[in-house]
Amino acid sequence: AAGVIQSPRHLIKEKRETATLKCYPIPRHDTVYWYQQGPGQDPQFLISFYEKMQSDKGSIPDRFSAQQFSDYHSELNMSSLELGDSALYFCASRQGAGGTDTQYFGPGTRLTVL
Amino acid sequence: LAKTTQPISMDSYEGQEVNITCSHNNIATNDYITWYQQFPSQGPRFIIQGYKTKVTNEVASLFIPADRKSSTLSLPRVSLSDTAVYYCLVGDNYNNAGNMLTFGGGTRLMVKP
Repeated sequence: AAGVIQSPRHLIKEKRETATLKCYPIPRHDTVYWYQQGPGQDPQFLISFYEKMQSDKGSIPDRFSAQQFSDYHSELNMSSLELGDSALYFCASRQGAGGTDTQYFGPGTRLTVL
Repeated sequence: LAKTTQPISMDSYEGQEVNITCSHNNIATNDYITWYQQFPSQGPRFIIQGYKTKVTNEVASLFIPADRKSSTLSLPRVSLSDTAVYYCLVGDNYNNAGNMLTFGGGTRLMVKP
């Protein structure tokens, strides 16, 4: 079965640079969630989109922005990167309308900021 | 969102049954209980979900008492590959436009040979 795809899987950036993470949800899933997991920490919700509209916002820094496109894929844009942004970034998708409520997670993007 | 409390860690041996209990005293009427498993550097994986009584799938069983203030995830005959962090989450599953997951303090299960 198709799963959530995230790219790139690994990313190394310098401080103050920008990064773009991409997420391709499971086909027919219309809801996308972004989570950040720092070393030794639990995943923390950042932001979510339902039918291309932002639906919820969590602890996402103002330096980050995200959007969901017409094909339902989503991108997380991160600017002015800081050392503390080094983390695993997970995308999850869900079929919001008429489907199950289960969120399916992607393999994650490991971002390292030097 | 209902707050959950789980043991920080548990040890077990291969072949044993493992039961992880989660407390959620302020669970709301519309809330479901969901368990996720996470291996190091991998995304959380859905294990099981339930509302009341007992739910069983090919991986685990979930026991929920009548008052729903706690739940127990039961893993039969664990193997070394079940070593992971297990998260109990409680939330309303009928909100199509939201329903973010709040992960807090999972249980780190270590299965020994």
